Amino acid sequence: EEQLVESGGGLVQPGGSLRLSCAASGFTFRTYSMNWVRQAPGKGLEWVSYISSSSSTIHYADSVKGRFIISRDNAENSLYLQMNSLRAEDTAEYYCVREGTGSYLKPWGQGTLVIVSS
Amino acid sequence: QSALTQPASVSGSPGQSITLSCTGTSSDIGTYNYVSWYQQHPGKAPKLMIYDVTKRPSGVSNRFSGSKSGNTASLSISGLQAEDEADYYCSSYVSNSIRWAFGGGTKLTVL
Repeated sequence: EEQLVESGGGLVQPGGSLRLSCAASGFTFRTYSMNWVRQAPGKGLEWVSYISSSSSTIHYADSVKGRFIISRDNAENSLYLQMNSLRAEDTAEYYCVREGTGSYLKPWGQGTLVIVSS
Repeated sequence: QSALTQPASVSGSPGQSITLSCTGTSSDIGTYNYVSWYQQHPGKAPKLMIYDVTKRPSGVSNRFSGSKSGNTASLSISGLQAEDEADYYCSSYVSNSIRWAFGGGTKLTVL
């Protein structure tokens, strides 16, 4: 079964940092591009960041550019999101998602909740 | 503000057919046939229901179908069932750098 499991969420103060991890299993991780998508409480989905299979191409939403860093370790079948200078508006469920042939997002992890509050 | 526009809510009775709309621009939905739809039940992760405008992933009921005309995509659900009650999000590929745009979501209520 193709599976993504996120971890690393929690409560952090404004201005703080947090590192999210995503463990992949059930598919050949190194051959797929990956994304992070977030969802603020009671709100819609927002694309956050993209990384190609070889890490050669990386993109960020304007809302996180310069503060978040996406990375991956294909040997460990893992995806990461380093989040710095966190703001209250970064409070959200963060989902790790595989990109299918550039045309859809599937599967999704169960999400990890990040709360930025003093 | 979401890049794609969806109605906030839609309702229907069991057995009925309903259609959810998703309006974008000539830069996203109007250009690419990479429109997808996601179903999300409360407290759960989104689930892919339709991709590439009209394709259904394995395991998704054939009561779900997708279409596109110009800058607007649609998700149709026939034979509405109680289990279909959920939030539905549309998405479109935008560009290599922006990647994915989402709609604000439509809450489907089965009366």
